[in-house]
Amino acid sequence: DQQVKQNSPSLSVQEGRISILNCDYTNSMFDYFLWYKKYPAEGPTFLISISSIKDKNEDGRFTVFLNKSAKHLSLHIVPSQPGDSAVYFCAAIGNSGGSNYKLTFGKGTLLTVNP
Amino acid sequence: ETGVTQSPTHLIKTRGQQVTLRCSSQSGHNTVSWYQQALGQGPQFIFQYYREEENGRGNFPPRFSGLQFPNYSSELNVNALELDDSALYLCASSPRDRYGYTFGSGTRLTVV
Repeated sequence: DQQVKQNSPSLSVQEGRISILNCDYTNSMFDYFLWYKKYPAEGPTFLISISSIKDKNEDGRFTVFLNKSAKHLSLHIVPSQPGDSAVYFCAAIGNSGGSNYKLTFGKGTLLTVNP
Repeated sequence: ETGVTQSPTHLIKTRGQQVTLRCSSQSGHNTVSWYQQALGQGPQFIFQYYREEENGRGNFPPRFSGLQFPNYSSELNVNALELDDSALYLCASSPRDRYGYTFGSGTRLTVV
């Protein structure tokens, strides 16, 4: 059962335009969300995060939006650059009441930014 | 400040064998988690260690086991390897709060 879903396996955009990556989740216990970026032969690198008490978090060219009622979040990259080409993972953390802070990941979206 | 380092980077094993993967956590991080990333999938949580004890486990069989050492480094052991164990194994360290996960580059395990 996929609790974090990234329904678009790939996305292609032109340099300078906006990239929008989407993520849906099903577990209401998730209260913190993260986006990771992964290049081939490297581990995931943290990009940006958002707590469930917020609906938006911005860091430079990256903005994450959270719609709790729809259990949906999105990552906006403006403007997109060729160096942004990578696999983007959405991940969620839920406080299960214990001390287990595991990340639950989606399957990832391959973003290609064309020059 | 050094990041998370994993060894080896690549490994080929035969079905039925045992394997040990190693991880050195980032300085100041006392919690280590292991993830398995199969081809085309997102990383899947295996288990987490804190203060040398297992602190949570995902849906993996007991032949996946681990250790954490006093210097917070960690090992992942897999016994009786199966073909489906072929994957990228990622180690992530963090301070005790849950926000600061740093991942290593992973170990690519191929079981033949």
